[in-house]
Amino acid sequence: DTAVSQTPKYLVTQMGNDKSIKCEQNLGHDTMYWYKQDSKKFLKIMFSYNNKELIINETVPNRFSPKSPDKAHLNLHINSLELGDSAVYFCASSQVAAYEQYFGPGTRLTVT
Amino acid sequence: KQEVTQIPAALSVPEGENLVLNCSFTDSAIYNLQWFRQDPGKGLTSLLLIQSSQREQTSGRLNASLDKSSGRSTLYIAASQPGDSATYLCAPTNQAGTALIFGKGTTLSVSS
Repeated sequence: DTAVSQTPKYLVTQMGNDKSIKCEQNLGHDTMYWYKQDSKKFLKIMFSYNNKELIINETVPNRFSPKSPDKAHLNLHINSLELGDSAVYFCASSQVAAYEQYFGPGTRLTVT
Repeated sequence: KQEVTQIPAALSVPEGENLVLNCSFTDSAIYNLQWFRQDPGKGLTSLLLIQSSQREQTSGRLNASLDKSSGRSTLYIAASQPGDSATYLCAPTNQAGTALIFGKGTTLSVSS
C-alpha cells in the first residue's frame, strides 16, 4: 500500500495556465507538507497543514495555494504558471509536526 | 534561520569500504534530524530519525549520530555496496519543528 501518493507524476503545461497537484496519505497523519526541489536539486519547504490549518508559508508566491479538503489530502493549486515554477514538487506527511516525515514520489512540473 | 551544509558534496568509493557523511547546521534548537536517501528521478526514502534528546540511531549497516550543541550529525555506512549509490540528504527541523530544512546532499557512488 502506498503511504503518500501524488498525482500526476508528470505535468507539462504552458505559461499562464492554472494547474493542481493532488496528494493523499493513508497513514492517519495530522500534518502534511509541500516541498519544492529546484533544478539544482535543492529541497525547500513551501507549506504545511495541521488539521486543515496552515501553519507555515515560506515566502511562496500567492499564485500557489494549498487546499486541504480533509486530513488525508493536501492539494497544491498553482495559478498563472511561470517558467520558474518548473521543478519537482514533493508532498509529505507526519503524525504531528516535528515527527518523522514520509515523502511521496514527487510530481515533475514542466512549464513551457 | 536554519542553514544546513553537507560535506563532501560527492564521494566515490569501492565496494566494502566504511564511510562517513557529514552534516552541519547553524541553529541547534531542533526537534529532530532525519537522514534520507534519494535515487535519481525518485522520491525520498527516510533512513533514520534522531530525536533531539538522542545521541545516535542505528538501522542495519547505517548509524547516525547527533551532536546538537555543536550543530553536527554524521551518517556512518558500514561495508558499502553498489546498491548504496544515491544522494544522501540531511534534514534537521526548523526551530518551531514545523518543517525540515535540507542540505544539498552528498552524492555517493559505490563501485563493484
